[in-house]
Amino acid sequence: ETGVTQTPRHLVMGMTNKKSLKCEQHLGHNAMYWYKQSAKKPLELMFVYSLEERVENNSVPSRFSPECPNSSHLFLHLHTLQPEDSALYLCASSQDFRGYGYTFGSGTRLTVV
Amino acid sequence: EDQVTQSPEALRLQEGESSSLNCSYTVSGLRGLFWYRQDPGKGPEFLFTLYSAGEEKEKERLKATLTKKESFLHITAPKPEDSATYLCAVQAGGFGNEKLTFGTGTRLTIIP
Repeated sequence: ETGVTQTPRHLVMGMTNKKSLKCEQHLGHNAMYWYKQSAKKPLELMFVYSLEERVENNSVPSRFSPECPNSSHLFLHLHTLQPEDSALYLCASSQDFRGYGYTFGSGTRLTVV
Repeated sequence: EDQVTQSPEALRLQEGESSSLNCSYTVSGLRGLFWYRQDPGKGPEFLFTLYSAGEEKEKERLKATLTKKESFLHITAPKPEDSATYLCAVQAGGFGNEKLTFGTGTRLTIIP
C-alpha cells in the first residue's frame, strides 16, 4: 500500500453510464493529480489540485469532471464516455509540487463498452 | 514543448547481465528528472530525482546519471525481481508548473 488508495480497481461502463472514481491519501500532501495511462502512450496529466483548488486542466474533455472536496480526497466523475477513454486512470499526490514527492495509487482500470 | 524519449522500448536480459536504459529529453529550463518503476497492475513507484548534469544517484542495483541531454539508468547484475517497466519524467519551467512529462517507458524482463 503506497498511501494513496484508489477505488474501484476495475470498472466497466457503458457509454451512457455515469460513474465516479475515488482517490484518497493520508500522507499529508497538499497537491493531488489525475493521470491517464494508455497502452504505448506516455502518462498524460489530466488535472492538478493544490489545496483543494484546481490549478491545471490539461485540455481534458468535459465528459471528465474532477472534484476535490478536501486535501485528502479526489474524485473523477465520468459521463458519456467513449471507447477510446478506456485506460488506466492514476491518482497521485505530492507535497509542494515536487516530482520526487509524487506518490501514485494503483489505478483504476476503466473499460468503456 | 517538453519531450521525453525512452529507449529501448523493451529489454530482455539474463540474470546477472548488466545494461543501461536511456532517457533523452528536450525541455526549456529543467527543474528535475525523475525515474519511476511500474509493476503490472500497479501505479509508478518513485526511484530517483536528478537535478543537474553530472549528478548520480544509487539504490541497490540501480544507478541513475544525468547529462544536459539525457539520463541513464544503469542496472548492475539484475535479478528477476527487477523486471518492471521503468519510466522517466521531466519537470521544467518556473515554479508553479506542476506538470511532469513522461516517456513511454522501457519494459525490462530479467530471465532467471
